[in-house]
Amino acid sequence: DTAVSQTPKYLVTQMGNDKSIKCEQNLGHDTMYWYKQDSKKFLKIMFSYNNKELIINETVPNRFSPKSPDKAHLNLHINSLELGDSAVYFCASSPTGTDEQFFGPGTRLTVL
Amino acid sequence: SQQGEEDPQALSIQEGENATMNCSYKTSINNLQWYRQNSGRGLVHLILIRSNEREKHSGRLRVTLDTSKKSSSLLITASRAADTASYFCATDAHGDYKLSFGAGTTVTVRA
Repeated sequence: DTAVSQTPKYLVTQMGNDKSIKCEQNLGHDTMYWYKQDSKKFLKIMFSYNNKELIINETVPNRFSPKSPDKAHLNLHINSLELGDSAVYFCASSPTGTDEQFFGPGTRLTVL
Repeated sequence: SQQGEEDPQALSIQEGENATMNCSYKTSINNLQWYRQNSGRGLVHLILIRSNEREKHSGRLRVTLDTSKKSSSLLITASRAADTASYFCATDAHGDYKLSFGAGTTVTVRA
């Protein structure tokens, strides 16, 4: 009965590869987010979708592309991975019109 | 750049003591939230305080907000070992649910 789930939990890959992280929420929320947390624990928003529509797109390299097939899913695809992409990526969701966000457990991405 | 900055960066206390951490931010806000992150886990929402509120309580948590000083504090009373975690403040400046997080305060509660 996990509210916000992410797969995989750990991802180790070589520079230059393309990888995807999947996120699903079963809370019925309309809005979903992707955050990046660096090694110093700074958490920065990357993208936000509301009912499958992109509403927040921070200054993120074009190599990052979110995709929302339906409002319960928000996947993150990363092309041509770089060393600096190593971080923990968190998915979150919230009901429209409220501010509290519910976070997934995170995906630790390590680029070698 | 980060909107919120927590102080102190780290805090170590004995079980049963109170823990206080502060958050300062730069621009006017719609609301401020506090989240907890246990090691290796996602963030958990603790409490939200709106810009027109000055104080809020939730169980052993007490949050204050001083918009004139652009600062907030989180007090955890009667701390327990399970309170060991990192605590983040997050601000929503425009009511667009785009949260800006600080770097967090790491709290260690010693048994």
